[in-house]
Amino acid sequence: DAGVTQSPTHLIKTRGQQVTLRCSPKSGHDTVSWYQQALGQGPQFIFQYYEEEERQRGNFPDRFSGHQFPNYSSELNVNALLLGDSALYLCASSLPGLAGGGGSYNEQFFGPGTRLTVL
Amino acid sequence: AQSVTQLGSHVSVSEGALVLLRCNYSSSVPPYLFWYVQYPNQGLQLLLKYTTGATLVKGINGFEAEFKKSETSFHLTKPSAHMSDAAEYFCAVSVYNQGGKLIFGQGTELSVKP
Repeated sequence: DAGVTQSPTHLIKTRGQQVTLRCSPKSGHDTVSWYQQALGQGPQFIFQYYEEEERQRGNFPDRFSGHQFPNYSSELNVNALLLGDSALYLCASSLPGLAGGGGSYNEQFFGPGTRLTVL
Repeated sequence: AQSVTQLGSHVSVSEGALVLLRCNYSSSVPPYLFWYVQYPNQGLQLLLKYTTGATLVKGINGFEAEFKKSETSFHLTKPSAHMSDAAEYFCAVSVYNQGGKLIFGQGTELSVKP
């Protein structure tokens, strides 16, 4: 089992550009969450996808959008990049709970992250 | 809304000494609590979690944590530190019906001196 994989590992962009980050969940998982981890901070929840729909969203602007594919893989898109978007972007996958959409008590398995630098 | 506070952004212990990393949470409903570890340039790995039941939870690598509702705390301990324990540790909370959204603390960097 390859676990959660993310690509690319590192990315450098300039302000105003757009970026797409990719995530493949752990085998058997169908729920994907994205987190932003700024340097020296804890991860912050961006959004979660389940059954190809955004189920929950954190306090992030509409410049952050996502998609989940039928094979459960997911993309995170960020438009009009700002310097402050520089961070480690983490993808996590999990099983849905009884209520679907990733049970609150289920372990989330994290990928290694994509380091985004905006110049 | 839920929140997590980790007391001490940096903790340094000697090899073989007790490790104590502090976490306090705020939640208006019963929380689920987690401790994750992050090694340099890696993602997060779950150490242990509390959902319901026994309040003393044992995790991997000899770590354990105790849920104390009256103190709204979930401190992480390990009796004897090893050099390989040096890493960043994050406490996180989620609640039922929020689909697994994790709220993380700021993290505590653990250093282990030989």
